[in-house]
Amino acid sequence: AQSVAQPEDQVNVAEGNPLTVKCTYSVSGNPYLFWYVQYPNRGLQFLLKYITGDNLVKGSYGFEAEFNKSQTSFHLKKPSALVSDSALYFCAVRGANSNTGKLIFGQGTTLQVKP
Amino acid sequence: EADIYQTPRYLVIGTGKKITLECSQTMGHDKMYWYQQDPGMELHLIHYSYGVNSTEKGDLSSESTVSRIRTEHFPLTLESARPSHTSQYLCASSAGFREKLFFGSGTQLSVL
Repeated sequence: AQSVAQPEDQVNVAEGNPLTVKCTYSVSGNPYLFWYVQYPNRGLQFLLKYITGDNLVKGSYGFEAEFNKSQTSFHLKKPSALVSDSALYFCAVRGANSNTGKLIFGQGTTLQVKP
Repeated sequence: EADIYQTPRYLVIGTGKKITLECSQTMGHDKMYWYQQDPGMELHLIHYSYGVNSTEKGDLSSESTVSRIRTEHFPLTLESARPSHTSQYLCASSAGFREKLFFGSGTQLSVL
């Protein structure tokens, strides 16, 4: 069965510092991995995805994520956090071999960036 | 910009009422999804569709039903709303399994 875990309910960083939001997954076969962000009272927005190729994926708003197959992880990173990055972040996974195509979301991590 | 629309944005109704949450997309996507989300919590897939006349239940059991008579339209219906149905409902669509989901703005449902 597909699953995705975000082990931290909340991540706190100071503005200007690097940030990491963790995500690990479990799928049969190769994974399709996604990160989404949800700002207060707004819908989810796509940040980036990994399908195949380079393990380091660059996305919107300066975010990037690194796919690590041996550790089954897809951590979200940003070199220098902004206060405006404060939001709820979701990791999601879909197995390439899945015949249903369902995208499974993690439980979400709240990122709080303080000035 | 995402071309997927949900109405109403907010809905407050009494117990026992029948309601339909609307979701439409203009991108021609075959795949559409309904997710349920409590505030600040994870998303749970409740229904999905891979095309016209195709609907499946998701991972979270739901008393709601859906239909897909047209590619662009994927409404969700609750025959008799209860307070336990109070939640945010997010509609999404995608062009394919490798593609990202586009989300609507959501419907915040409150059942009194």
